[in-house]
Amino acid sequence: GAGVSQSPRYKVAKRGQDVALRCDPISGHVSLFWYQQALGQGPEFLTYFQNEAQLDKSGLPSDRFFAERPEGSVSTLKIQRTQQEDSAVYLCASSISTGTGGFWSNQPQHFGDGTRLSIL
Amino acid sequence: GQQLNQSPQSMFIQEGEDVSMNCTSSSIFNTWLWYKQDPGEGPVLLIALYKAGELTSNGRLTAQFGITRKDSFLNISASIPSDVGIYFCAGLYYGNNRLAFGKGNQVVVIP
Repeated sequence: GAGVSQSPRYKVAKRGQDVALRCDPISGHVSLFWYQQALGQGPEFLTYFQNEAQLDKSGLPSDRFFAERPEGSVSTLKIQRTQQEDSAVYLCASSISTGTGGFWSNQPQHFGDGTRLSIL
Repeated sequence: GQQLNQSPQSMFIQEGEDVSMNCTSSSIFNTWLWYKQDPGEGPVLLIALYKAGELTSNGRLTAQFGITRKDSFLNISASIPSDVGIYFCAGLYYGNNRLAFGKGNQVVVIP
């Protein structure tokens, strides 16, 4: 499809297990973002890539969270030793923005449908 | 982090009525975005605003970028049942790529 694709849609894991969430952005989009959305809240920023470079990871809640985008396209968000408080919807977004200023800066982010993660 | 306040939190409106929702921030933004989120889906972009004072329409939706750059509103005219959902405002500051979201407005349309 033409939109942002995320998999799996649902993930259930036992506390302590590692999980990996995948995001396939819109083709040609330079920027890729991960957000965490708790129940009844708005999305909260986790990390941002421009091509393969992770330019901002200040939103990652702990060092158990790790994200990569090795070829500047598909990205994976990995959570190690999961805890119950990690249960949330993880949203991926992509943007054509290059972040270099001018018109192409601050272009809208387009979201996938998310992965709902439940930690038992 | 940046806080965006959306009000009211939930609204029950009669089909055919107009509805307005507001978003305010203590921080200045260069871009305001309005998204709608349905259950089990990701936020879908409705309107993007890039300039203070800008008024933009998308069908029955109208949004404005406040002149102080600290607020925005979204208006839905002649509501229909499929307008049901959660509406989020989001702000973006020039050179900072992270979106700051409000907590959302839940809209319920009564047929």
